[in-house]
Amino acid sequence: EDQVTQSPEALRLQEGESSSLNCSYTVSGLRGLFWYRQDPGKGPEFLFTLYSAGEEKEKERLKATLTKKESFLHITAPKPEDSATYLCAVQASSNDYKLSFGAGTTVTVRA
Amino acid sequence: DVKVTQSSRYLVKRTGEKVFLECVQDMDHENMFWYRQDPGLGLRLIYFSYDVKMKEKGDIPEGYSVSREKKERFSLILESASTNQTSMYLCASETGTYYGYTFGSGTRLTVV
Repeated sequence: EDQVTQSPEALRLQEGESSSLNCSYTVSGLRGLFWYRQDPGKGPEFLFTLYSAGEEKEKERLKATLTKKESFLHITAPKPEDSATYLCAVQASSNDYKLSFGAGTTVTVRA
Repeated sequence: DVKVTQSSRYLVKRTGEKVFLECVQDMDHENMFWYRQDPGLGLRLIYFSYDVKMKEKGDIPEGYSVSREKKERFSLILESASTNQTSMYLCASETGTYYGYTFGSGTRLTVV
């Protein structure tokens, strides 16, 4: 069974204070690892897809990296608008397009 | 842009009622999904559909059923609502491997 564990559950940052979120996964053959951002009361929005160990993707203050067992989402010099819940999900190469999600990390950035 | 529309943002229903949650996507995608999201548990797959009239159980199908009569519409049915089905329900459409899913805005259901 595919498993995704995210840590920490919650992260409080001062504006400009860089940090990293962790996503550890167990999957039988990785098709893709996905990062989503979710604002309160809304559906998740796509951020990145990573396919193989060593791959990196960047978007504004966010950078996602991937190893064979985990992924990191680095937030550089965060701003209050980066406050959200960040979800990690994996898709196994053997399933029917199903994603398995972690519980998420809620990030709060104070001005 | 792909759009996934869930018909209700908030619903309050009574225990024992039959509840219908509707989801429509506008991009002719074959695959559609229903998840529920609860604090600390993340998103859990209830049902998915890979074509019209085709459906598969997810991880937590008990107490739910689905209907897909047309490609663009995927409905989640709570046969007899119970308080433990109070949750945020998210519908998603399969965009393709690169983007994973496109989600709707969610329906927050409260069963009293």
